[in-house]
Amino acid sequence: ETGVTQSPTHLIKTRGQQVTLRCSSQSGHNTVSWYQQALGQGPQFIFQYYREEENGRGNFPPRFSGLQFPNYSSELNVNALELDDSALYLCASSGQGTGDFSYNEQFFGPGTRLTVL
Amino acid sequence: AQRVTQPEKLLSVFKGAPVELKCNYSYSGSPELFWYVQYSRQRLQLLLRHISRESIKGFTADLNKGETSFHLKKPFAQEEDSAMYYCALSNAGKSTFGDGTTLTVKP
Repeated sequence: ETGVTQSPTHLIKTRGQQVTLRCSSQSGHNTVSWYQQALGQGPQFIFQYYREEENGRGNFPPRFSGLQFPNYSSELNVNALELDDSALYLCASSGQGTGDFSYNEQFFGPGTRLTVL
Repeated sequence: AQRVTQPEKLLSVFKGAPVELKCNYSYSGSPELFWYVQYSRQRLQLLLRHISRESIKGFTADLNKGETSFHLKKPFAQEEDSAMYYCALSNAGKSTFGDGTTLTVKP
């Protein structure tokens, strides 16, 4: 069984640029969630994808967007980067369960550290 | 709006002492609650969830709907329990995490 992987590990961008972060879900999982974790804070929910459709979204502006592919891997895209976007971005995958996603354990990747200068 | 509060950023106990990590939540419905743990240089991982009503590594957590709390407890802390602990609430595809408590168990 392959765990959740994320790429790249680290990334440095400048303000105003765009970035794409990638996540491969754990084998057998079809749901992916993305989180932003600033230093000293807990993970903040960005959005969740289930079978290629957005299934839930947190309080993040539209310049944060995502995709999920048929193999259930996922991308997080951030446009017009701001200094405050500097953070660790976590991806988590989970199984389908019964369709109510609340009960499902999330398996986290190692994260991508984004620095915006 | 969903909210999870972990009032203690840092908690330090001696080995063998009881430990309680506090978690309070605000949500109008019936949420599902979880505790996640992150050991040094490891990924965030599930410790236990309310629906399972299980004890993992000696830890238990009881949901108190009246007090809207989901405190994590262990009667006898071990040095290997030193880690960052996050309480999380999940509902309809949205998860909310607290800011975490760093537990240090001293020998």
